[in-house]
Parts: sequence; C-alpha cells; structure tokens
Amino acid sequence: DTGVSQDPRHKITKRGQNVTFRCDPISEHNRLYWYRQTLGQGPEFLTYFQNEAQLEKSRLLSDRFSAERPKGSFSTLEIQRTEQGDSAMYLCASSRETGTDSYEQYFGPGTRLTVT
Amino acid sequence: AQTVTQSQPEMSVQEAETVTLSCTYDTSENNYYLFWYKQPPSRQMILVIRQEAYKQQNATENRFSVNFQKAAKSFSLKISDSQLGDTAMYFCAFMKATGKLIFGQGTTLQVKP
Repeated sequence: DTGVSQDPRHKITKRGQNVTFRCDPISEHNRLYWYRQTLGQGPEFLTYFQNEAQLEKSRLLSDRFSAERPKGSFSTLEIQRTEQGDSAMYLCASSRETGTDSYEQYFGPGTRLTVT
Repeated sequence: AQTVTQSQPEMSVQEAETVTLSCTYDTSENNYYLFWYKQPPSRQMILVIRQEAYKQQNATENRFSVNFQKAAKSFSLKISDSQLGDTAMYFCAFMKATGKLIFGQGTTLQVKP
C-alpha cells in the first residue's frame, strides 16, 4: 500500500493556459474523489468516480473542468483556460466501497496550482 | 443540503493537557458518517477518527475520542495528553451514502511546549 499519489505537486501557469493533474489511488480502491481547497478553508467536493464511471459532479465544476478515470485506476483532472480564481490546492482521495458500507477516504498530498 | 460548522477558528493548548474541538452539522439524513481529519502544515490530510451515526458508542483512537450527540447534531473531538505533533488544522467532515465529504471550515490547533 503506497498511498494516494498526485502529480505534479506544484504547478504554476499563466492565465488562459490548460493544465492537467494526475491522481493514482490506492490500488484496491474503487472510488476516487477530487476536492479543491483554498488557503485556510476546508476542502470542497468537485467530483467522484466509482471505477470508471463519474457518478457526481459539483456545481463548482464549471465546463472548463473535466475529469476522467478511463480504466478505473488513475484519474486526470483538466482545467481549460485557467483563471486566477482557479488557484488552489487540488486534492485527490480514494476509498473502498463495498455497497453495504462506506469506508474512509485516504488523501493524496495534493497539487498546488498557482495561476498568474 | 448538509452543512458542517466549526465555530473555533483557532485554539491553543499546553503540551500534555486536554483540548476539545467543536463541530456541529445539519442534516435530515438518518444514516451517515462523521470524521475528524488532521492536516499538519504543508502536509497531507490524514484521518484521525470516524463515527457511524447508527452507533451510540463514542469512537476512541488512543488519545483521540469523540462526543457524538446525534439529537443535538454535535460531534466534538477531545485530544488528551496533547503532543507537539498534534499541531495542525483539524477538519470535521460529514459523509452520507454517496461518499462525498462535506467539510467544516477547520480549526487551527497550536500545541505549546
């Protein structure tokens, strides 16, 4: 169990550029979540997957944001035409869902995005 | 919609003493889970303790325990014998069956030597 990993850890981009982040969950976990956290605040839910299916998207996730989990393993989060308001820490978490119980989510270290 | 409120933005405690962090939540659900997560400075979020709403017994994990009052929708965290390594931001979080976490605003805890 190597934990949840995220890449890159830091990203600085200019406004208007596209960025893509990657998350590798714990290997046996079938659920994967994306959250956004701004400085001094609690994380806010963006979207989640069960296996390869994207089951819910927050209203926070504008049409500039897209997430995929093509083979039910790693996931990518892409932000198109970045804006300064997108500057935040993007957190990925994974969990094991059995259908009869929900288990705790394990978080990755996050990707800190700075839009200049 | 569910909400989670942490009314103490900052707290401090002397090493070896006990501190309690408060959390209230609002939901119409009957089955849900509550968590406390810890986020040390510049480090990743880690789970401290978990409570299932259907369990009346309060959860404990070593020096960490909760006081879960379902009717009052209150979920406080008690840290006993505080250690310098407990210095972190603590988040209370609510989860229903869909699995997404709803976090409070966080409480920054400083443990002083």
